[in-house]
Amino acid sequence: QKEVEQNSGPLSVPEGAIASLNCTYSDRGSQSFFWYRQYSGKSPELIMSIYSNGDKEDGRFTAQLNKASQYVSLLIRDSQPSDSATYLCAGTRNTGNQFYFGTGTSLTVIP
Amino acid sequence: EAQVTQNPRYLITVTGKKLTVTCSQNMNHEYMSWYRQDPGLGLRQIYYSMNVEVTDKGDVPEGYKVSRKEKRNFPLILESPSPNQTSLYFCASSLTRVGAGYGYTFGSGTRLTVV
Repeated sequence: QKEVEQNSGPLSVPEGAIASLNCTYSDRGSQSFFWYRQYSGKSPELIMSIYSNGDKEDGRFTAQLNKASQYVSLLIRDSQPSDSATYLCAGTRNTGNQFYFGTGTSLTVIP
Repeated sequence: EAQVTQNPRYLITVTGKKLTVTCSQNMNHEYMSWYRQDPGLGLRQIYYSMNVEVTDKGDVPEGYKVSRKEKRNFPLILESPSPNQTSLYFCASSLTRVGAGYGYTFGSGTRLTVV
């Protein structure tokens, strides 16, 4: 079982809609989770981190963490074509020294 | 500008010819790490370093070496590259351990082809 599972997509949403990206994890001891955005051929860019149960909002982005169900999600409101990218979910192992990534979900926002 | 700098961006080499990919950060970060990214496999950690002279293996360390003699630099060494090391490589750094809520900042990547 992979430590972080993401639906590879592709996920397509119309411009202005809400995009919902989901991630489940297997290590119940994982403490912190991160969402990265990666454009084709570019390096991953950090969008948000979350380590407490509940929601965390930053502009058009909301990260949600549910430790009991072991899932993390990212909502993108008012999606724009520039949001079209691959979104990577990442978590930390219980030791806190290592960082593991899901394989990413490809998002396309249709104008 | 705060950044992680990798060189070279592109590299084509032949099997068995030793190579080094350099990585430098100017943010005084403690943690540094190397990842490789392959289609369908995502980002996999090769090695990481918690501070000068402190390194540890990640998930796919075979065929790679690293060193951390200075805080800012973390080179990746392939002593005898093989075609299965053809990949996109990223260096990353973090202020402190990622379990404390700090994420990694990534370099621009090095696309390596071994023929």
